[in-house]
Amino acid sequence: EDQVTQSPEALRLQEGESSSLNCSYTVSGLRGLFWYRQDPGKGPEFLFTLYSAGEEKEKERLKATLTKKESFLHITAPKPEDSATYLCAVHGGATNKLIFGTGTLLAVQP
Amino acid sequence: ETGVTQSPTHLIKTRGQQVTLRCSSQSGHNTVSWYQQALGQGPQFIFQYYREEENGRGNFPPRFSGLQFPNYSSELNVNALELDDSALYLCASSSYRVDTGELFFGEGSRLTVL
Repeated sequence: EDQVTQSPEALRLQEGESSSLNCSYTVSGLRGLFWYRQDPGKGPEFLFTLYSAGEEKEKERLKATLTKKESFLHITAPKPEDSATYLCAVHGGATNKLIFGTGTLLAVQP
Repeated sequence: ETGVTQSPTHLIKTRGQQVTLRCSSQSGHNTVSWYQQALGQGPQFIFQYYREEENGRGNFPPRFSGLQFPNYSSELNVNALELDDSALYLCASSSYRVDTGELFFGEGSRLTVL
């Protein structure tokens, strides 16, 4: 069964303290791995798509990487405005659905 | 370019009632997906509509049904509401089926079932 597991569940950082979020997955025939950001009370906002192992994408202080079993979202020198829940999702097999993990709640303190 | 809009934003129903949630997709998008997000969980796929036809369904019972209209807006209907249906219901639109991965989500409809 296709599955996505994110860790840690919650992470508290000081402003400027870099760290990484993990997304491990099992899926038959990965067609894409996606990172979204979700602010409280809002819908998820698309960040990145990764299609194959070794691929990397960057956007401001965020960098996403992909291996055959997991993805990392690296946050460099975070700011308080980076505080949000970060969701990982995979699209695999012949289905038209994204399978989401439960997310990592990131809090960046000034 | 207008984004995805959902209505209502909040609603309260009682067990056994029926609810209809509405979604206007982003301009130029012909695919709409609905997701259910319980508190503290990730979104779970309910179904997808592409050019007015259901194009994939998750593990939800038949009392969850939907429609897509010629202008690509969509409705989610839930009959015989249960307490566990309390959740944030998210609509997402895209230009193609989910292969592109970039779904544009609305802000959701928060349903509380008492």
